[in-house]
Amino acid sequence: DAGVTQSPTHLIKTRGQQVTLRCSPISGHKSVSWYQQVLGQGPQFIFQYYEKEERGRGNFPDRFSARQFPNYSSELNVNALLLGDSALYLCASSFTPAGVSEQFFGPGTRLTVL
Amino acid sequence: GQNIDQPTEMTATEGAIVQINCTYQTSGFNGLFWYQQHAGEAPTFLSYNVLDGLEEKGRFSSFLSRSKGYSYLLLKELQMKDSASYLCAVRDSNYQLIWGAGTKLIIKP
Repeated sequence: DAGVTQSPTHLIKTRGQQVTLRCSPISGHKSVSWYQQVLGQGPQFIFQYYEKEERGRGNFPDRFSARQFPNYSSELNVNALLLGDSALYLCASSFTPAGVSEQFFGPGTRLTVL
Repeated sequence: GQNIDQPTEMTATEGAIVQINCTYQTSGFNGLFWYQQHAGEAPTFLSYNVLDGLEEKGRFSSFLSRSKGYSYLLLKELQMKDSASYLCAVRDSNYQLIWGAGTKLIIKP
């Protein structure tokens, strides 16, 4: 079975540009979470979606937005990119957003903002 | 505020035992996770504790004390491939994961 997939794997953008990152969860998983991980730090929670509805939002500016599609895949959009947005963006899927189900992570998208 | 503390870096010898500690202060508690992350890769699940006590899984064990806001990950019979960062994460009252910064474990021959 395929795990969580993310695209693209690497991305280089310049300040002020917009970026869209994509995630496909494990088949049967209905919850997708997005995290930002800066080098040397733990992941920071950005969004969680379950059954196409936003279930949680971390402390990120409105430049960050996301959505979940009927097939449970998800997109993360970041507008007006800043140098500080350079990070590894991780997508994780789980069967439910709560309970004992663990989250399975995708390989991540490494975003570099110049 | 919510806070999770782990040592930044630890060094151990191949074949030995190492204990990585994690203390937390979060708004509510719905379980504690340990993840392993090799450099440049995504985190992979190691263990989950929701009740006090020790959970053993092969060479890895994880302990939780909810009253003390404390957990540790115990790695036995260390192998070179165990060199990685170990992340402690707590699921809070909103069922969101709050992550520590990770402990970089260096294994020496």
